[in-house]
Amino acid sequence: TAGITQAPTSQILAAGRSMTLRCTQDMRHNAMYWYRQDLGLGLRLIHYSNTAGTTGKGEVPDGYSVSRANTDDFPLTLASAVPSQTSVYFCASSDGGAHTDTQYFGPGTRLTVL
Amino acid sequence: GQNIDQPTEMTATEGAIVQINCTYQTSGFNGLFWYQQHAGEAPTFLSYNVLDGLEEKGRFSSFLSRSKGYSYLLLKELQMKDSASYLCAVRDSNYQLIWGAGTKLIIKP
Repeated sequence: TAGITQAPTSQILAAGRSMTLRCTQDMRHNAMYWYRQDLGLGLRLIHYSNTAGTTGKGEVPDGYSVSRANTDDFPLTLASAVPSQTSVYFCASSDGGAHTDTQYFGPGTRLTVL
Repeated sequence: GQNIDQPTEMTATEGAIVQINCTYQTSGFNGLFWYQQHAGEAPTFLSYNVLDGLEEKGRFSSFLSRSKGYSYLLLKELQMKDSASYLCAVRDSNYQLIWGAGTKLIIKP
């Protein structure tokens, strides 16, 4: 089982350009999440989706958008990238039903905005 | 505001025991998680505590005191492969995870 896959692995992007980070899970989990991880800071939630067709804003949603057209895919779009969006981005999923609701993470996308 | 505090870095010797502390102040509490993250890799789940007390899983144990807003992760018989960052996260009243910045554990031979 692949679990969660993310693409691309890394990317260098010019400021002002748009980009979509892809995330796909094959565990049929209901909930999916996008985090960014910056040195010295904890993981910060950007957007989440509790089930297909619904999305919500996390702690740091500005400059990012998401969609959840189906259970498996949860793409994250940067409409006009800025250098402060340089970060490592992790997608995660959880089944949302179990009490422990453990989140499982993809391998991450390292994004540099110049 | 919500806050999770962990030491930034710790050093321990192979074969020894190390305790990584985590204190939290959150709006509500619905469980505490510990994750391990090797450099350049994704976080992976280690343990979950929702009731006070100690949960043991092989060489790793996790303790929770809700009244003190405190948890620790205990790693026994340290191995070189345990060199990693250890992330503490608390699920708040909105069922969102609030993450600490992580503790980088360095294991020396």
